Amino acid sequence: ETGVTQTPRHLVMGMTNKKSLKCEQHLGHNAMYWYKQSAKKPLELMFVYNFKEQTENNSVPSRFSPECPNSSHLFLHLHTLQPEDSALYLCASSRGAATGELFFGEGSRLTVL
Amino acid sequence: EDQVTQSPEALRLQEGESSSLNCSYTVSGLRGLFWYRQDPGKGPEFLFTLYSAGEEKEKERLKATLTKKESFLHITAPKPEDSATYLCAVQADDYKLSFGAGTTVTVRA
Repeated sequence: ETGVTQTPRHLVMGMTNKKSLKCEQHLGHNAMYWYKQSAKKPLELMFVYNFKEQTENNSVPSRFSPECPNSSHLFLHLHTLQPEDSALYLCASSRGAATGELFFGEGSRLTVL
Repeated sequence: EDQVTQSPEALRLQEGESSSLNCSYTVSGLRGLFWYRQDPGKGPEFLFTLYSAGEEKEKERLKATLTKKESFLHITAPKPEDSATYLCAVQADDYKLSFGAGTTVTVRA
């Protein structure tokens, strides 16, 4: 099994749909992250969970709703998105929230029509 | 506000043609500087951590160096498989991690 697995890899949704992205890590890490990556822009941190507790919400619109049921799983629930939300959404994990050595999944490519 | 600037935005090299990528930063207290490699359609892959000025790290054809204001990623005698986007990130005293926009390297055979 790969270290960090994200599903689905590709998602197309309308502005009124509700969908979820899933992330699972098999590395025994305690921290998990959601990042947004848009073309030619730096990675944008969205949420951080450390030992299942949300420690950072980087002013993300409420149409993005994270869920972390345990240290190995992370979800991003999506509803009433806008076309500008189209991007690559990356999940990452690390041993703790204080390190910059992150292990990323392959990402979920989201297109909002 | 912490800032990370990578240059150039894109770099096209002939196989065997050595070159360097730059990552300049302004940060309130540097805890660490990190280099990642990202292949198309994949997530970033961690390469190096540098903690203090003067530190160097090497991995195969890659060598990362750090000064008080910038880091360089040197690619020696690159091969086509070194083609990727290289990302730099800095971690400040408050543990916040800030990424640069990346340098896309293309190595032609």
